[in-house]
Amino acid sequence: AQSVTQLGSHVSVSEGALVLLRCNYSSSVPPYLFWYVQYPNQGLQLLLKYTSAATLVKGINGFEAEFKKSETSFHLTKPSAHMSDAAEYFCAVRGSGTYKYIFGTGTRLKVLA
Amino acid sequence: NAGVTQTPKFRVLKTGQSMTLLCAQDMNHEYMYWYRQDPGMGLRLIHYSVGEGTTAKGEVPDGYNVSRLKKQNFLLGLESAAPSQTSVYFCASSRGGASTGELFFGEGSRLTVL
Repeated sequence: AQSVTQLGSHVSVSEGALVLLRCNYSSSVPPYLFWYVQYPNQGLQLLLKYTSAATLVKGINGFEAEFKKSETSFHLTKPSAHMSDAAEYFCAVRGSGTYKYIFGTGTRLKVLA
Repeated sequence: NAGVTQTPKFRVLKTGQSMTLLCAQDMNHEYMYWYRQDPGMGLRLIHYSVGEGTTAKGEVPDGYNVSRLKKQNFLLGLESAAPSQTSVYFCASSRGGASTGELFFGEGSRLTVL
């Protein structure tokens, strides 16, 4: 069975500060992992994905995530937050050889001026 | 590029009414999905399809039916709507097969059941 846990339903950071959004996964097979962003009243768009190539994955808008198998984690980071980063972020897992993409409950990021 | 298109975008129903949400994708994707999004609960998978003519249940299938008669379309039906089905519904598609590809999402359909 697959599952995703996102720690912290709300995270606030100051503009220019480090962004760290946490994601831990559970998968019985090698996972594919994804981070999506959702702006108000919009669908989800892909930020980045891990597919077993490189453990450090770079995405759009300056975000990156590191796959750590020993910690079953795939945390999302950005060195310097921008006001435009305010949105909801979702971590998702799909086990290789499976069809289902399972999502976490989301983390709403607030950026303070 | 249209990508994934959902219709309608908004709908208000009375308890017991029926309706169908239509999802269309123009990327020739094999896999299609219906999710619902509720505050604090993330996205939960309702039903999915791995090819034309096939469907399968997700995490929360009760009260919903689906059909995939054409590869590009995936319909979600509510036979007798209940207030608990008030939600935002998202359709998504992916390439499928051995692909490690991501989901592509529509913009959502907001359903209110009174």
